[in-house]
Amino acid sequence: EDKVVQSPLSLVVHEGDTVTLNCSYEVTNFRSLLWYKQEKKAPTFLFMLTSSGIEKKSGRLSSILDKKELFSILNITATQTGDSAVYLCAVGSQGNLIFGKGTKLSVKP
Amino acid sequence: DTEVTQTPKHLVMGMTNKKSLKCEQHMGHRAMYWYKQKAKKPPELMFVYSYEKLSINESVPSRFSPECPNSSLLNLHLHALQPEDSALYLCASSQDGGPQRNSPLHFGNGTRLTVT
Repeated sequence: EDKVVQSPLSLVVHEGDTVTLNCSYEVTNFRSLLWYKQEKKAPTFLFMLTSSGIEKKSGRLSSILDKKELFSILNITATQTGDSAVYLCAVGSQGNLIFGKGTKLSVKP
Repeated sequence: DTEVTQTPKHLVMGMTNKKSLKCEQHMGHRAMYWYKQKAKKPPELMFVYSYEKLSINESVPSRFSPECPNSSLLNLHLHALQPEDSALYLCASSQDGGPQRNSPLHFGNGTRLTVT
């Protein structure tokens, strides 16, 4: 059975800290791995990763994929209170997205 | 705000009502999706339309009926729902093939549905 596992499930940090969120997967016909940020409404697309070892970066956020070890990490540096959200990892397979349960990040002032 | 627009934002309906959720995108995407998300859970796929044809139906009960009138619009018709169907219903769209062909999904803000 295909599965996507995220850790930790929740995390509380202070502003300025650096955090690393983890996503491991076991799926047939892997196509891509995506990271989304969800606050109160729509999941907002962050990154799509298809190749191992190539870091994708957007401001303070970065992500990398390891297709040999079947995992990805999402790094957030110099966290801000606006980074508080649920971060969802999803793996594309067979035309579907399989979501992990998410990591709830709370950034305290 | 997202480029995928969903209406209404909130909906309260009784178990005997018939209502519809609407979704619209003007990004030229050819795949559209309905997801259901319960509180503190990840989104669960319900339906996928590709080029206006239903391509995936994840064993969803018949009280949910999708419709894709054209490439920009996606509806979800609701009839005789149960209280456990209360959830956030998310619409999404993607380029051809979605994640299968390395195209991310873009989500709308959702309709928060309460069935009484």
